[in-house]
Amino acid sequence: GIQVEQSPPDLILQEGANSTLRCNFSDSVNNLQWFHQNPWGQLINLFYIPSGTKQNGRLSATTVATERYSLLYISSSQTTDSGVYFCAVEPWGGADGLTFGKGTHLIIQP
Amino acid sequence: GAVVSQHPSRVICKSGTSVKIECRSLDFQATTMFWYRQFPKQSLMLMATSNEGSKATYEQGVEKDKFLINHASLTLSTLTVTSAHPEDSSFYICSAPTSGRGTGELFFGEGSRLTVL
Repeated sequence: GIQVEQSPPDLILQEGANSTLRCNFSDSVNNLQWFHQNPWGQLINLFYIPSGTKQNGRLSATTVATERYSLLYISSSQTTDSGVYFCAVEPWGGADGLTFGKGTHLIIQP
Repeated sequence: GAVVSQHPSRVICKSGTSVKIECRSLDFQATTMFWYRQFPKQSLMLMATSNEGSKATYEQGVEKDKFLINHASLTLSTLTVTSAHPEDSSFYICSAPTSGRGTGELFFGEGSRLTVL
């Protein structure tokens, strides 16, 4: 099956810093999503971005489908940004749900 | 965004009992829903695909007799953990595509944390 690798696995930053999270995938995809899992386990949809660039406030994401990677940018980090960020993909031609990466555990310190 | 609701959010049960978890799409219909499992500090693993009006499709290694899935209507799928044991303790999360079927943006329920004593 498709492989999804996220980096870095852990990231500790000071409030106000910027960060870039990366997601590499091993095959063509027709769906790629970024999620933030809060401390209660809820998965919050950040971006549905199988290709191109999107922005939502301090967050933006870019997927380069031909090179099989996606980037999530967080600017001016706040302590509430802490948590685990997951990238998840669905292989091209499949309707079989999402395959998740192992996530990036982000800690924003005040 | 679309809303997917799960119930219960937490459940504690004795070993040997069965537990039912409900997943509802509140503002859209879904012929397909997906069930995931997450162990502490790990990623989400797809367990099965729930299909309205037909049998669920299980991922390799997932016991279909242990994890019974019923997609009773276009807005409801249930996961029943039968004869639960401590090793079944986990966080179970459902999701549904806003397209209603198969691919498209997925939204997730709040999750259900199962503890088997």
